[in-house]
Parts: sequence; C-alpha cells; structure tokens
Amino acid sequence: DSGVTQTPKHLITATGQRVTLRCSPRSGDLSVYWYQQSLDQGLQFLIQYYNGEERAKGNILERFSAQQFPDLHSELNLSSLELGDSALYFCASSPHPEISEQYFGPGTRLTVT
Amino acid sequence: GENVEQHPSTLSVQEGDSAVIKCTYSDSASNYFPWYKQELGKRPQLIIDIRSNVGEKKDQRIAVTLNKTAKHFSLHITETQPEDSAVYFCAASRTDSWGKFQFGAGTQVVVTP
Repeated sequence: DSGVTQTPKHLITATGQRVTLRCSPRSGDLSVYWYQQSLDQGLQFLIQYYNGEERAKGNILERFSAQQFPDLHSELNLSSLELGDSALYFCASSPHPEISEQYFGPGTRLTVT
Repeated sequence: GENVEQHPSTLSVQEGDSAVIKCTYSDSASNYFPWYKQELGKRPQLIIDIRSNVGEKKDQRIAVTLNKTAKHFSLHITETQPEDSAVYFCAASRTDSWGKFQFGAGTQVVVTP
C-alpha cells in the first residue's frame, strides 16, 4: 500500500457524461500527478499540482480538468466522455514539486459505454 | 520535449537467468531516471531509481546503470523468479520540469519456471 488513495475503484458511464475522480495523496506529500493508462498502453502524464497550484501539463484534453484543494486532495474531472476515454486513471504523489520518486494510487478504471 | 524509448517490448526468460531492459532518452538535461514495476491490474511501483550524478545503483537482485554520454540507462534483474513477471516502465525527468516524467512504452517480462 503506497498510502495514496483513489475513489472510486471502478466507474461505468455513458458517452457524453461527466465524471469526477478523486485522489488523496500520502500524508505529507504536497504534489499530485494524474496519469492515463489505456489498454496495453504506457502511462500518459496529464497534469501536476503542487500545494494547490497547477505546475505542469501534459497531454490533457480540454474536456478534462483538475484541481487540488486546500486539504491537498485532488479531483480529475472528465466531461463529454467518449469511448476512447476508457482507461485506468492513476494518481501519484510526491513530497516535492521537483524530481523525486512518485507513489501511485490503485487507480480508477473508467469504462465509457 | 523529452522522448524515451524502451526495448524490448516483451522479454521471456527462464527462471534463474538475467533480464536486461534498455531505455534511451533524448533530453541531455534529464537527470532523474526511475524504474517502475506494474503487475497486471495493479499500480506502478517504484523499484529503483538513479540520478545523473551516479553511474550505477544496486538493490539486491536489481541494478540500474546510466550512461549519460550515450543517453541510455538499463535495468538489470539477476536470478529472475516467477514473481518478477510484470510490465516494467522506465522514465526520465529533469529538475526544471517539476516532476513531469516521460515514461517509456513498457516491457512485458515473463519468467518461466
């Protein structure tokens, strides 16, 4: 157990809908990262937050947004969902915004039908 | 931006043999190189990492080597065991990228008894 928690574990929804994925970092970690992992694919970096502020953006679609709250938990919002958005979404946390080890949560498996 | 290539995509080894996975990176400013192991349906877990001021690092049966001149780094697993079967991802990052990792595509390692 990495100490990073994600909810829900599984989510099934229809095209066009909107969902929110939640992540709580390890105690003491200020930085949160979101990744997308499609079937048989690698890890695609989406976005990073540090202490409530956006720090880096990767290949995140405009339909996706995220935020980090004062208690340091983070939410990833996915809207106008398409079939291709079906994937595992991982959250990771680290103590610092600079380079350091990242600890991954168990992931949320999103299925869009 | 950074580009990380990982080879091979699949690797089958006999139990007890060694496994080697290689990654190359494009950005000479990258200075942090972690390796993650992901078992089927589970979270990626950091198994070893190396920073650019070190050429080699070992942890029991796992070692990582870094050649900054050639811009490549490798994961070495000795005395492989069936529980080493998983997908292994390399990644590269640089200090000013705020922890934004570029992951390789992954290597599926299968250890046969």
